[in-house]
Amino acid sequence: EVQLVESGGGLVQPGGSLRLSCRASGFTFNNYWIHWVRQIPGKGLVWVSRINNDGTSISYADSVKGRFTISRDNAKNTAYLQMNNLRVEDAAVYFCVREFIDWGQGTLVTVSS
Amino acid sequence: QTVVTQEPSFSVSPGGTVTLTCALNSGSVSNDNYPSWYQQTPGQSPRTLIHGTSSRSSGVPDRFSGSILGNKAALTITGAQADDESDYYCVLYMGRGLWVFGGGTKLTVL
Repeated sequence: EVQLVESGGGLVQPGGSLRLSCRASGFTFNNYWIHWVRQIPGKGLVWVSRINNDGTSISYADSVKGRFTISRDNAKNTAYLQMNNLRVEDAAVYFCVREFIDWGQGTLVTVSS
Repeated sequence: QTVVTQEPSFSVSPGGTVTLTCALNSGSVSNDNYPSWYQQTPGQSPRTLIHGTSSRSSGVPDRFSGSILGNKAALTITGAQADDESDYYCVLYMGRGLWVFGGGTKLTVL
């Protein structure tokens, strides 16, 4: 069974940093691309970033470019989203998604002073 | 700026058929946009219904189908059931590694 488990969310002040993790199991992790998608509770889904299977191709939404960094460690079956210089508008549930097919349960990021 | 547009809301009768669409402000949607569709109920993660225009995800009933209709991606639900009442989202690949979600459609079954 494919499982994606996000962690690392929490409360952070504006300007602060968080690193989200996405631990994968049930499939050959290094064969698949991973996306991060966020959602303000009660609002729509927003694509944030994606990384290809070996980490050599990465892309970001304009809203996070230069502040967020996606990465992966295939030996640990884990993808990451390093979020720096966080803004109030970055507050959301962050989902890890395998090739836009399998979704994790999400981790909540709150940005507030 | 690329905008992906979905109907904000739609209503269907139980047993009826409804087609939700996903359009681009900058042109036509094609298979090259790899349209995918998701169903989400409050408090839950999205559930993948369709990926790559028309491929049904594992365990999804065949009353859900995806296609390109004219210049839009489409999700058709045939024989709507009460538990189809959800929010539905599409996502499109815009090239250069970039993806954009639509704003979602709130489907009511009544």
